[in-house]
Amino acid sequence: NAGVTQTPKFQVLKTGQSMTLQCAQDMNHNSMYWYRQDPGMGLRLIYYSASEGTTDKGEVPNGYNVSRLNKREFSLRLESAAPSQTSVYFCASSGTGVEGETQYFGPGTRLLVL
Amino acid sequence: AQSVTQLDSQVPVFEEAPVELRCNYSSSVSVYLFWYVQYPNQGLQLLLKYLSGSTLVKGINGFEAEFNKSQTSFHLRKPSVHISDTAEYFCAVSHTGGGNKLTFGTGTQLKVEL
Repeated sequence: NAGVTQTPKFQVLKTGQSMTLQCAQDMNHNSMYWYRQDPGMGLRLIYYSASEGTTDKGEVPNGYNVSRLNKREFSLRLESAAPSQTSVYFCASSGTGVEGETQYFGPGTRLLVL
Repeated sequence: AQSVTQLDSQVPVFEEAPVELRCNYSSSVSVYLFWYVQYPNQGLQLLLKYLSGSTLVKGINGFEAEFNKSQTSFHLRKPSVHISDTAEYFCAVSHTGGGNKLTFGTGTQLKVEL
């Protein structure tokens, strides 16, 4: 089992460019999440998907869009990147029921916007 | 809405000494509580969690935490740390029926020195 995988690992963008961060999980989890991590701020939820076909905004959704392509894959898109979006992005997934509260994280994507 | 406070941004400690990382939360409803660890340039890994039952929770790598409802705290402890415990530790909370969404603290950097 690979768990949660993310691509790319690193990316440098110029202001205004667009890109899509990919995330996939092989644990048959229903729920998937995108977080950003910034120094001194912990992790903040951008978007989440409670099940295939549904997505909802988290704490910091502005400037991002998401797609739950199927049960395995959840992508995050930056339509017009800004320097404020320089961050480390983590994807996570979880199952359902009481034990579903545990989230499993990918290794992260480090994004620099110039 | 819930929130998490980790008062200590950095905790230096000598190897084989005990350590306590503090976490306080606020929520108007029942909560689930988590501690995650992040090693350099990696994703987050679950250390332990409190869902219900015994207030003393034991996790991986010799860590434990105690849920104190009256003080709204969930402090993490280890009786004897090792160099390999050097990492950033995040406390997180979700509320029952809240759809698995986690709210993270800002993190505590544990630095174990010889």
